Amino acid sequence: DTEVTQTPKHLVMGMTNKKSLKCEQHMGHRAMYWYKQKAKKPPELMFVYSYEKLSINESVPSRFSPECPNSSLLNLHLHALQPEDSALYLCASSPLGLAGTLQETQYFGPGTRLLVL
Amino acid sequence: AQKVTQAQTEISVVEKEDVTLDCVYETRDTTYYLFWYKQPPSGELVFLIRRNSFDEQNEISGRYSWNFQKSTSSFNFTITASQVVDSAVYFCALSEAGDGGSQGNLIFGKGTKLSVKP
Repeated sequence: DTEVTQTPKHLVMGMTNKKSLKCEQHMGHRAMYWYKQKAKKPPELMFVYSYEKLSINESVPSRFSPECPNSSLLNLHLHALQPEDSALYLCASSPLGLAGTLQETQYFGPGTRLLVL
Repeated sequence: AQKVTQAQTEISVVEKEDVTLDCVYETRDTTYYLFWYKQPPSGELVFLIRRNSFDEQNEISGRYSWNFQKSTSSFNFTITASQVVDSAVYFCALSEAGDGGSQGNLIFGKGTKLSVKP
């Protein structure tokens, strides 16, 4: 079962709102990822969790706050976002390679389409 | 530095035509992995194939085939007898093994939008 689920599918929020995106996988993967994808662009890596610890933060603004409560769940907490943060947010998971590297296949969820007004 | 180039931004074909999507990559690592993903309008990135740098054997899966050539640093993807359901954006991606110091995270090309018309 190569399924990654994400909720909600769509989210509209104001710049003063606080919201959270959720991602879940039950494939036993120990790496989980958040990507941001703007229209007509490839996904851009935001965060990586390895063994439930944050291993990569691609200089993402602090208004995005990731959390990995356990090996199956990944959250992205949103606060004080800007209209330019409107995008498709994709979650992915993968096994970890040798020495904890990330070259194994990533499986993606359907994404959350976020609109910030 | 690693880089993936998909020179074709958009391709439009008529159903049943064959179409090849090009992918050229750059890496200094001897061990690396290449991927193709499909992104239909719904948004989900669907994994299609993963290839490691030591396996240059071409692969066929139904109407899909991949041609990996290290000599030209290319990993091209061909769809035979295209169908309307093949319409999507296709991304080629590279991941290094990490022994050169990188974390091995995915480097995506810019994608090729394929439109298959009936």
